[in-house]
Formats: sequence, C-alpha cells, structure tokens
Amino acid sequence: AQSVTQLDSQVPVFEEAPVELRCNYSSSVSVYLFWYVQYPNQGLQLLLKYLSGSTLVKGINGFEAEFNKSQTSFHLRKPSVHISDTAEYFCAVSGDGGYQKVTFGIGTKLQVIP
Amino acid sequence: KAGVTQTPRYLIKTRGQQVTLSCSPISGHRSVSWYQQTPGQGLQFLFEYFSETQRNKGNFPGRFSGRQFSNSRSEMNVSTLELGDSALYLCASSLARGMGRDEQYFGPGTRLTVT
Repeated sequence: AQSVTQLDSQVPVFEEAPVELRCNYSSSVSVYLFWYVQYPNQGLQLLLKYLSGSTLVKGINGFEAEFNKSQTSFHLRKPSVHISDTAEYFCAVSGDGGYQKVTFGIGTKLQVIP
Repeated sequence: KAGVTQTPRYLIKTRGQQVTLSCSPISGHRSVSWYQQTPGQGLQFLFEYFSETQRNKGNFPGRFSGRQFSNSRSEMNVSTLELGDSALYLCASSLARGMGRDEQYFGPGTRLTVT
C-alpha cells in the first residue's frame, strides 16, 4: 500500500518570497513521484515528476523538487513566487511494477500575497 | 492534440436519481482514470480503465460504476445519488504503458451538485 502526506493544507506567502510545499510518502516498492497544480476551475496539470536518476527535478514555471529516499520526502520549492502561482498543489505517488494506480495527497493551497 | 474533455461541466441532481458523466481522452491514450475531488479529501481514486477493462478500483460503493468503449471514451455512472456525492469528478487519461511512470492528463472536471 502507498500513501502521501502533504503537511500543510494552506501556505500563505508574500510575492517574490521563496516557498516550500512539503510532501512525504510511504510505499513498499520503488516509487515514482509527481507534483500537479490545479488552478481555479481547472483540472490538474503536471508540474514535474521524479522517475529515477538525479534527485533534483526541475519543472515548469520555475518549480523544482528534491527526492529524498531516506526521509521519504519530495518537497516542492520555488525561489521567488508570483501572484500567478496562487493555486492548489498536489503531490502524488505511483509504485513500480505492474499496473499501479496513482495516490494523491490532500493538496496544499498556495496563496501568494501581493 | 485536443485535451481531455468532460461533459457535462455542471450538473444538478436530486437525491435518489442517477447520473452519467462522460470523458473523452487524448487521442492515442488508452487508459482513463476517474477521481472524486472534495474539499478536505483531496482526490479519491474511483477506477481506471484500459482497453475496455477495469484495471484498478478504489474504495467506493457499488453505486459507482464505469465503462470504457472501444474508442477509449469512458463513462461513469452513479446510481441512487446521495448528498455526499456532491463533488468535482475528474477524468484523466494516459498512455499507460504500465509500471506507474506515466503522466496523467486531466480534464476540467464535472461539478456535480446533489440536492
């Protein structure tokens, strides 16, 4: 079984400040990790994903995430946020082997304050 | 390529009724997954279809069902609606080459309100 914990339900941050959205996972097999973003009244779109290789993954819109196997974490970071980054962010995990379903976290609402 | 489309976008039903939601995946995508999104619960996995077969199922009651057609379009049905079924229902498609590594592409969702 696999699970995802997003430690913060809401994160307010001032424009141009850095932000970190936290994600921890558990899984009994090797994992693939994803961050998705959902803007108001829209579906989710992929920000970035970790499949293998370098633990630092860069995504769209200046976001990056670091896979830490020992801490079972995959935290999302951006050095300087914009108003347009206001959205809900979902961490997701999928296992290796066979046809694995994707398990999503509960989401973190990022509110960028002007 | 056209994205994932879902119809209708908004729906209002009364308790006890049934509803059918439709999803057309991206061309070439053979896997379609359905999720229920509610505030405080995040995305809850309903089921996944691949080549007209249900390949994975979440922990939802039997009132929730789905199917996939030969052209990969999918429908989900909810019978005997309850107030708690009010949610945003999201459909996602993927190439689903297996082994969990494929990105999912989401539609805009169908907002279901049960009164």
